Amino acid sequence: EVQLVESGGGLVQPGGSLRLSCAASGFTVSSNYMSWVRQAPGKGLEWVSVIYSGGNTYYADSVKGRFTISRHNSDNTLFLQMNSLRAEDTAVYYCAREVFGSGWAYMDVWGKGTTVTVSS
Amino acid sequence: QSALTQPASVSGSPGQSITISCTGTSSDFNGYNYVSWYQQHPGKAPKLMIYDVSNRPSGVSDRFSGSKSGNTASLTISGLQAEDEADYYCTSYISDSIRIFGGGTKLTVL
Repeated sequence: EVQLVESGGGLVQPGGSLRLSCAASGFTVSSNYMSWVRQAPGKGLEWVSVIYSGGNTYYADSVKGRFTISRHNSDNTLFLQMNSLRAEDTAVYYCAREVFGSGWAYMDVWGKGTTVTVSS
Repeated sequence: QSALTQPASVSGSPGQSITISCTGTSSDFNGYNYVSWYQQHPGKAPKLMIYDVSNRPSGVSDRFSGSKSGNTASLTISGLQAEDEADYYCTSYISDSIRIFGGGTKLTVL
């Protein structure tokens, strides 16, 4: 079964750091594009970052320079290192697999999410 | 700046059809048929409902359909059911380096 399971969320003070993990099963993380998407309380979905199968990484302007996406091929896991956290980073963070249709990618598998709360 | 605009809310009665629009401001949106739609129930993860404008993944009801004309994509739900009550988000190709979601539409089944 294709599955994604996020972990690593929690309560952190402003300016602190947190590393989220996304364990994949049923497919190979490194062979796919993988994204992180977040949702602040009561708000819509916001794309955060993507890592391509070739290793290229991209970020939303709101997290650029503070967040780093990476993957560990040996244990088939995606990561999101979050530094210099702000209150506005408070959200549920989802990881998602991207697959290609006729020409571009869409997110076909999602994890259940992990909650990050940034507060003093 | 590229953006995808959705109505904040739509509603319909059981058995009726509703349409949710997604309007893009980028020329890339106009030129590509790479729109996807996601359904999200409260407290749950998003679920893919439509990709490449009008394709349904396996397991998604054929009551859900998608289309696109010019700079507006649409998600239509026919034979509305109580379980369809959820938030719906559109996305589209904008560039190789970013992804963008519409603001989301809350569907209420009356």
